[in-house]
Amino acid sequence: QSALTQPASVSGSPGQSITISCTGTSSDVGGYNYVSWYQQHPGKAPKLMIYAVSNRPSGVSNRFSGSKSGNTASLTISGLQAEDEADYYCSSYTSSSTPVVFGGGTKLTVL
Amino acid sequence: QVTLKESGPALVKPTQTLTLTCTFSGFSLSTRGMRVSWIRQPPGKALEWLARIDWDDEKFYSTSLKTRLTISKDTSTNQVVLTMTNMDPVDTATYYCARGGYGAYDLDYWGQGTLVTVSS
Repeated sequence: QSALTQPASVSGSPGQSITISCTGTSSDVGGYNYVSWYQQHPGKAPKLMIYAVSNRPSGVSNRFSGSKSGNTASLTISGLQAEDEADYYCSSYTSSSTPVVFGGGTKLTVL
Repeated sequence: QVTLKESGPALVKPTQTLTLTCTFSGFSLSTRGMRVSWIRQPPGKALEWLARIDWDDEKFYSTSLKTRLTISKDTSTNQVVLTMTNMDPVDTATYYCARGGYGAYDLDYWGQGTLVTVSS
């Protein structure tokens, strides 16, 4: 069981917006601004999409945005495209044990 | 251009020790702020963070695997080595190394990963 909770799957049609949630505790997501989001296509390495809750690395589309409220972080993808279909993982620093924890991952399907 | 590449055995027997090497380029682990982590992913499952080594040789480990893991670096060859003792079939996974990013706990560049199967 992963330390951070994500929905197993979400879906949306091209052009729509979707949001993926990542719920933790005050020892991780809620207590620190160290939430990251990764995109992983089948058979590929993860790719950093968001760091420090809401920052986009150079080269990442501005269709991807991150936010946080309390113990829940969110990744929003606007203007869905077929290429966005992938698995998405959140991660956070945690003070409780292992320094970094991941979520269980969310499979995004573009209908 | 930052690149990382993992290398090591594709198959190990139960109880054996796994040694993985991450060879990187485009940055130096002797530069202040640089970090390299190891992460694994069992087939069809989620990512699991394993260990990290920083530019100042500070090391961090997964609490659940701490007794089995050792991470080290060789700045002269741009390599980070992870050893995991007493391998078990449940350790079958793709093992990735990744560079620490600007956010302190994010991973901005990843290797392609190497699949390690534990079987007799």
